[in-house]
Amino acid sequence: QQQVKQSPQSLIVQKGGISIINCAYENTAFDYFPWYQQFPGKGPALLIAIRPDVSEKKEGRFTISFNKSAKQFSLHIMDSQPGDSATYFCAASLNSGNTPLVFGKGTRLSVIA
Amino acid sequence: EAQVTQNPRYLITVTGKKLTVTCSQNMNHEYMSWYRQDPGLGLRQIYYSMNVEVTDKGDVPEGYKVSRKEKRNFPLILESPSPNQTSLYFCASGDRGWNTEAFFGQGTRLTVV
Repeated sequence: QQQVKQSPQSLIVQKGGISIINCAYENTAFDYFPWYQQFPGKGPALLIAIRPDVSEKKEGRFTISFNKSAKQFSLHIMDSQPGDSATYFCAASLNSGNTPLVFGKGTRLSVIA
Repeated sequence: EAQVTQNPRYLITVTGKKLTVTCSQNMNHEYMSWYRQDPGLGLRQIYYSMNVEVTDKGDVPEGYKVSRKEKRNFPLILESPSPNQTSLYFCASGDRGWNTEAFFGQGTRLTVV
């Protein structure tokens, strides 16, 4: 019920390509879905987040697509750059906000020139 | 500067020797949490706190203790560390619940030999 399943575990994308990372959840009470970006030696940092009242949110080259009926959401990185190489975590939290974020297991993205 | 500060950043210790990892935030956040990060397992929550003197177990609390005597501090205590507690630890804090941005510390890499 509390799990968030993330795929793929690792991803290699050519510079300029589109990186796509997918997450699925079971608990329909989740109503906040953030993505965190982590560079080596650093703590995770919020990248972009979405709530279920919209199907898509875009910030620059980063887009979250949300499919409420399928209980899935995904991160798309357009025009991927070597500087995007990092580990990405999807997460979810319950509508009360009182239960801390449940994280996926992470995707290690490598963008190669 | 808004930040979550963990100390130490690196620690090597021996089995059974009690240790404390400190965490302090300067954002007046009510919510704080500890996670451990292991390869292939993502971020797993150890303990969290919704306010002073209020703490709850996360997914992997065995072998850990926490306390929240002041709003800004949330130390993680390992009474008798074991090698399976070798990991990368992150403290995080959040404002008004976990359905807003969580701020992470830089991490503490702990090795128990």
